[in-house]
Amino acid sequence: DTEVTQTPKHLVMGMTNKKSLKCEQHMGHRAMYWYKQKAKKPPELMFVYSYEKLSINESVPSRFSPECPNSSLLNLHLHALQPEDSALYLCASSQETVVITEAFFGQGTRLTVV
Amino acid sequence: AQSVTQLDSQVPVFEEAPVELRCNYSSSVSVYLFWYVQYPNQGLQLLLKYLSGSTLVKGINGFEAEFNKSQTSFHLRKPSVHISDTAEYFCAVSDLRGSARQLTFGSGTQLTVLP
Repeated sequence: DTEVTQTPKHLVMGMTNKKSLKCEQHMGHRAMYWYKQKAKKPPELMFVYSYEKLSINESVPSRFSPECPNSSLLNLHLHALQPEDSALYLCASSQETVVITEAFFGQGTRLTVV
Repeated sequence: AQSVTQLDSQVPVFEEAPVELRCNYSSSVSVYLFWYVQYPNQGLQLLLKYLSGSTLVKGINGFEAEFNKSQTSFHLRKPSVHISDTAEYFCAVSDLRGSARQLTFGSGTQLTVLP
């Protein structure tokens, strides 16, 4: 199984809502990532978890709150988002934390903030 | 920090013609390079990677890339493209940040295969 599964695939939320994005992998990978991708742009790193500990936060606003409950799961909690936060949110995982030799991506969650 | 530059934002090509998508990387002692493809409304799929060894790397769907250290390039090639190859292609480098490596992406190249 080389899949990274993200749910939901699509999400529409109001600016006062609280929602969560979920990501799951069963490859035994110890590094997991959240990327944000705007239309016609490359993915931009948001967070990196290494051995279930947050190792990189790319100056992401506090309205995005990551959580890694165990080695297979990664969540992104959303609260009081702005319309400019609308984007494709991608989760990825890799086996290594010191050097990436391969990273697997999920299909993404298409988020629309209204 | 390492970076990659994709020289062409859009590449139109006719079906069955060859194609080359260009990528240059910033110089480093050791570098790991990747090409990913993204179809509309999908995630990223790994096409191929260079870690070490042979400079000619073969990937999925008939793609290959050549690592050229003297020119700091990692161009992606396919001898004959299909309509189904229409997609966004990203070159990426493995970059050390803090205590964990991460992938840093180029700006992307939209490949459009014309009938």
